[in-house]
This record gives sequence, C-alpha cells and structure tokens, in this order.
Amino acid sequence: QKEVEQDPGPLSVPEGAIVSLNCTYSNSAFQYFMWYRQYSRKGPELLMYTYSSGNKEDGRFTAQVDKSSKYISLFIRDSQPSDSATYLCAMRFNTDKLIFGTGTRLQVFP
Amino acid sequence: DGGITQSPKYLFRKEGQNVTLSCEQNLNHDAMYWYRQDPGQGLRLIYYSQIVNDFQKGDIAEGYSVSREKKESFPLTVTSAQKNPTAFYLCASSGRQGLNYGYTFGSGTRLTVV
Repeated sequence: QKEVEQDPGPLSVPEGAIVSLNCTYSNSAFQYFMWYRQYSRKGPELLMYTYSSGNKEDGRFTAQVDKSSKYISLFIRDSQPSDSATYLCAMRFNTDKLIFGTGTRLQVFP
Repeated sequence: DGGITQSPKYLFRKEGQNVTLSCEQNLNHDAMYWYRQDPGQGLRLIYYSQIVNDFQKGDIAEGYSVSREKKESFPLTVTSAQKNPTAFYLCASSGRQGLNYGYTFGSGTRLTVV
C-alpha cells in the first residue's frame, strides 16, 4: 500500500463547476499538507498548504484536512479552463522530505 | 528574482553515455532534491541533500549520481547504468525556515535516449 493515494483521473468538468480533488494517506504522523499544481511540461508550483486539521481558503481554492479520516481535499470553485493541470497532494512529518501523491489530471472545458 | 534554474530544458542521450543535468538555486535554501517523473507514476525521489558535501539516496538512486560542492548547485548525472533514463527530471529546494512551506521546483529537464 502506498503512503499517499490519489486518483489519477482524468477529471473532466465544465467551466464554472466546483471541483473536488482528494488524497488519502496511511501515516497518522503527517502534519503538513500541501497541494501543488503542475501545468504540462512545467515544474509543480505550490498552491496551498495546511498544518494539521482544518480548512484554509485562498480565493477560489479551499484546502481541507481531516486527520481522523486521513483524508485531504482541495476544492476549486468557479473552475476555469486555466485550472486545467495536474494537481499533486504532498505531506510531510517534521523532516524535510515530502511524500507526494501521483497526481490527478483535471480538464476544465469551456 | 529568486528561483531554481534547471538546464538544459531538453537533453538527448545516446546509449552508453553519461549525461549531467544542472540545477542552480539562488534562494539560499539548504536542502535540494532530484525527482524523476514518469506518466502515471508521480514524483519519485532520486537523491536529496540537506547540507553541502552531504547527500542521501532516495527511492530510485540506482544508475544516478550527484554532488553538492556548493549550496547553490546540485547537479545530477545519469549514468549508463540507468537502463531506462527517458523521463522528466525535476529539481527542488527547501529552506529550514520554510519547513512548513514545501518545495520550490525548477521547470524540469526532459531527457530522451536516442
């Protein structure tokens, strides 16, 4: 079993839809949770980070962590074609190494 | 502007050749990482370094080598022992003060064996 599981998609939605992206994990010691966005042939860029449980909102994006269920989510409201990318979840203990999910490919069509 | 620079963007390797991928950062970050990305497999850690003159193997280090002689630089050599080197290679860095903020990635090098 992988430490971090993420559905690879692709997830295809119409413009304006609410998108829900999710990851599950097995190690309860993870404390820092992040979401990266990666456009085709580019490096990932940090989108959101959350410490421990709870929600964090930034514009159209909301990151949610449920440590009791070992489940994290990224919600995108009013999705745009420019949101089409691969979204990677990542998490860590107190050390430097991040553990990444395999990424979910999102397609937002006009 | 601070960031990570990877070069070249595209690289072609003949069978049996060693090639070196460059990674330079001006973020004053202590830690640097090399990942390999293949379709459907996510990011796999090759090597990482948390301090100058020290580095550790990641999950798929066989056929690769690194050096960390300067804080700013962490080159990756793909040796002829790496049997399937065609992939997208990503370099990343993180600072001690940014433990909570994840990594900064470069724009990647696409290596193709010809």
